Amino acid sequence: KQEVTQIPAALSVPEGENLVLNCSFTDSAIYNLQWFRQDPGKGLTSLLLIQSSQREQTSGRLNASLDKSSGRSTLYIAASQPGDSATYLCAVKASGSGSRLTFGEGTQLTVNP
Amino acid sequence: SAVISQKPSRDICQRGTSLTIQCQVDSQVTMMFWYRQQPGQSLTLIATANQGSEATYESGFVIDKFPISRPNLTFSTLTVSNMSPEDSSIYLCSVEDPRRALEAFFGQGTRLTVV
Repeated sequence: KQEVTQIPAALSVPEGENLVLNCSFTDSAIYNLQWFRQDPGKGLTSLLLIQSSQREQTSGRLNASLDKSSGRSTLYIAASQPGDSATYLCAVKASGSGSRLTFGEGTQLTVNP
Repeated sequence: SAVISQKPSRDICQRGTSLTIQCQVDSQVTMMFWYRQQPGQSLTLIATANQGSEATYESGFVIDKFPISRPNLTFSTLTVSNMSPEDSSIYLCSVEDPRRALEAFFGQGTRLTVV
């Protein structure tokens, strides 16, 4: 059974800092890995998707990496801003048609002005 | 990317009543997924809804409590039946976009409080 763990559970940083969020998963037979952002009481916004054959994806100030063999992914946020404050969720999709997404517990990020 | 409209965005309901949540997608999709997010926790899959067949429920979720309809390829509903305060959660629908390597997209969520 796939298990996804995110570290740290919470993070508070001053504005402008670069930061790294970590995600680990137990079963390396994945189809893709996705990072999401969730604002309080809201739905999920897709940030980056990395397919199993890829090593990293970039979008603006965000960079996500994937090391399937070690079961790890990182989300790097450059030059953090107060508007980045949210919960960041990592989810892995198993191989196979119709397979589910398994979510981590999330990292709650606060960027202080 | 797929655009999903989910409603209501929030509701406060009396225990013992039922609430139906609607999810509309701007493109045709084979599967729609319903998740629950209890306070302070991550997402748990309730069921997968296929058009033209019965929904597939995950362990711990039953059709009598969470009936699902999927009348066409762009629409689905989830009903939370005979509600109790333990059903207070955010409920989310999701689809996967086959044009984007099965990237998952979510609706805005329905924040349900049962009193």
